[in-house]
Amino acid sequence: KAGVTQTPRYLIKTRGQQVTLSCSPISGHRSVSWYQQTPGQGLQFLFEYFSETQRNKGNFPGRFSGRQFSNSRSEMNVSTLELGDSALYLCASSILTGNEQYFGPGTRLTVT
Amino acid sequence: SQELEQSPQSLIVQEGKNLTINCTSSKTLYGLYWYKQKYGEGLIFLMMLQKGGEEKSHEKITAKLDEKKQQSSLHITASQPSHAGIYLCGADIIDTDKLIFGTGTRLQVFP
Repeated sequence: KAGVTQTPRYLIKTRGQQVTLSCSPISGHRSVSWYQQTPGQGLQFLFEYFSETQRNKGNFPGRFSGRQFSNSRSEMNVSTLELGDSALYLCASSILTGNEQYFGPGTRLTVT
Repeated sequence: SQELEQSPQSLIVQEGKNLTINCTSSKTLYGLYWYKQKYGEGLIFLMMLQKGGEEKSHEKITAKLDEKKQQSSLHITASQPSHAGIYLCGADIIDTDKLIFGTGTRLQVFP
């Protein structure tokens, strides 16, 4: 069974631009969570989607948004990028909410 | 302050030595997960421990959950260079419905 895939793997953007990251969960997994990882803050929860509905949201500004499609694939969008948004963005899927999560390889975003 | 504290932050051991990493929660734990991460890559799921003093082993890695102390320990026996990486604990804790992660422990194993 294929693992969680994320695209693109690397991305370079400039301040003020917006970006969309994609995540395809493991087949059969209906919950997708997004995390931001930086050296200073560690791994921080962004949001979780289950059956196309946002179930939970972390403490991030409204510039960070996401959605989930009927096939469980998820996207997250960051608008008006700031230098501090440079990070590794990780997506994780699980069968249901509350089960163990399996992570993708991440998308490394660099904002210049 | 961090709800989930890991110690030590960094560990350098000689190949063949045993080591222990700890993860302590400031709140009641409902489930504890251990992950391993290679630098800049995704997290690899190692083990899940559920409330109740559970202990699990996989190859040379053993994890225990002490519910009284709200703490989990990850023990590696006879460490190898392949064990090197960042070990992260994640937890379901009371009053939150999202997974909280510790700050990570960077492990280096030298020959």
